[in-house]
Amino acid sequence: SQQGEEDPQALSIQEGENATMNCSYKTSINNLQWYRQNSGRGLVHLILIRSNEREKHSGRLRVTLDTSKKSSSLLITASRAADTASYFCATDVSGGYNKLIFGAGTRLAVHP
Amino acid sequence: EPEVTQTPSHQVTQMGQEVILRCVPISNHLYFYWYRQILGQKVEFLVSFYNNEISEKSEIFDDQFSVERPDGSNFTLKIRSTKLEDSAMYFCASSPRLQGDFSNEQFFGPGTRLTVL
Repeated sequence: SQQGEEDPQALSIQEGENATMNCSYKTSINNLQWYRQNSGRGLVHLILIRSNEREKHSGRLRVTLDTSKKSSSLLITASRAADTASYFCATDVSGGYNKLIFGAGTRLAVHP
Repeated sequence: EPEVTQTPSHQVTQMGQEVILRCVPISNHLYFYWYRQILGQKVEFLVSFYNNEISEKSEIFDDQFSVERPDGSNFTLKIRSTKLEDSAMYFCASSPRLQGDFSNEQFFGPGTRLTVL
C-alpha cells in the first residue's frame, strides 16, 4: 500500500452513530494530520497529531496514533448529517520540508 | 479568522496556453505550498517554497511549472504550456512553521479548478 492509505474507502452511517476511519503509512513521520473535504471544495484542517503523541481530542473528534504499527484512526462521535464529506489523512514525512502526503480518503455519508 | 485565498475559482484554458494561478497566503506565514487534485484522485504535492526559493518539488513539478512570490502577499503558480492532463483542482497552502517545531499545520485555500480544453 502507499503512504497514507485510509480505510474504509466509503462509510455509511446513521446520524448519532460514531464513525471510525483508519489510516496506515509506511515511513517515519513528524506528524499526521486529518483533513476534511466537502464535495468539490477545499481542504479543512481538522487535527494534527505529533509523532510523540498517542491520542488527541478536538470537540467530537478523537485521533489516535500508533507509530509502532504506523497507523492512525479518526473517530467522529455522535455524527451529524453535516459531517458528510471525504476525510483524508496526510503524513508529514521526517526529513522532508513538511510536504504532506495524502491518502485516497474515506467518503463518509451520514444519513438523517 | 485569517484564511488562504485563491483566484480565480475556475479557469478554463486552451491546451498550450499559459495560466497563472494566484494565492494570498495567511499574512504571518512563512512556508507556502501548491498541491493538486485530479478529479477523483488523491491530493498530490507539487512544490514547497520558503525564503523566496523552492525548498522541495515533486516529479510532477517539471519545467512547465514555476512559482513566484512577486510581492509581500501573493504566491503564484504558473504553467507555461498547459496540457490536457493538467486539468485538476489546484490548492495553495501556507504554514507558520514555528522555529524549532517540525510540526506544521498547513492551511489550505479553496482551490482553483483548472480545465484545459
